[in-house]
Amino acid sequence: DAKTTQPPSMDCAEGRAANLPCNHSTISGNEYVYWYRQIHSQGPQYIIHGLKNNETNEMASLIITEDRKSSTLILPHATLRDTAVYYCIVRNTGGFKTIFGAGTRLFVKA
Amino acid sequence: EAQVTQNPRYLITVTGKKLTVTCSQNMNHEYMSWYRQDPGLGLRQIYYSMNVEVTDKGDVPEGYKVSRKEKRNFPLILESPSPNQTSLYFCASSSPLRAETQYFGPGTRLLVL
Repeated sequence: DAKTTQPPSMDCAEGRAANLPCNHSTISGNEYVYWYRQIHSQGPQYIIHGLKNNETNEMASLIITEDRKSSTLILPHATLRDTAVYYCIVRNTGGFKTIFGAGTRLFVKA
Repeated sequence: EAQVTQNPRYLITVTGKKLTVTCSQNMNHEYMSWYRQDPGLGLRQIYYSMNVEVTDKGDVPEGYKVSRKEKRNFPLILESPSPNQTSLYFCASSSPLRAETQYFGPGTRLLVL
């Protein structure tokens, strides 16, 4: 599975969009990009995933570059409860082996 | 309510004393997995299971054993715990139809003295 690179931390003002970047330059053609988040020491929570098209759900939007070497998770209107560690993961859907990196710690400030 | 449960939630033990952390899911998921989380290292996969009697090593399997005799249960066994196994442990499960959506348990905080 490909490795990912994320900034260690980011700040965002409450009510503004939070844009979290992820680099995955060695991603292969059958690997998807997944995003999870972990609030404090709770179990991680699935947010969204995509292959090459942009995706949107009730929680967030995922923008994947055309060459698929990077992506951005967008929380359109960040709230204080979005303060968490966000993990970007790439893997194929055929297996279950998952590599979590260190993630990005997002601080949403009032 | 769909959930993954782990027991115990907190455990303090001594070096060499065998212990088992249980994990159970009520969603009839085929896939189950164990992770450990340490400061600065994120989550690392210990073992995973694709189905009953099918298990495989993750990235940090040394010092751990697992078994999958029933679909709903996936216990993590530490035969001879050592202080470097002090960590926060998470169990997760998912369906092969939606493998991307892993459901995580609440975590087990283990301290090995």
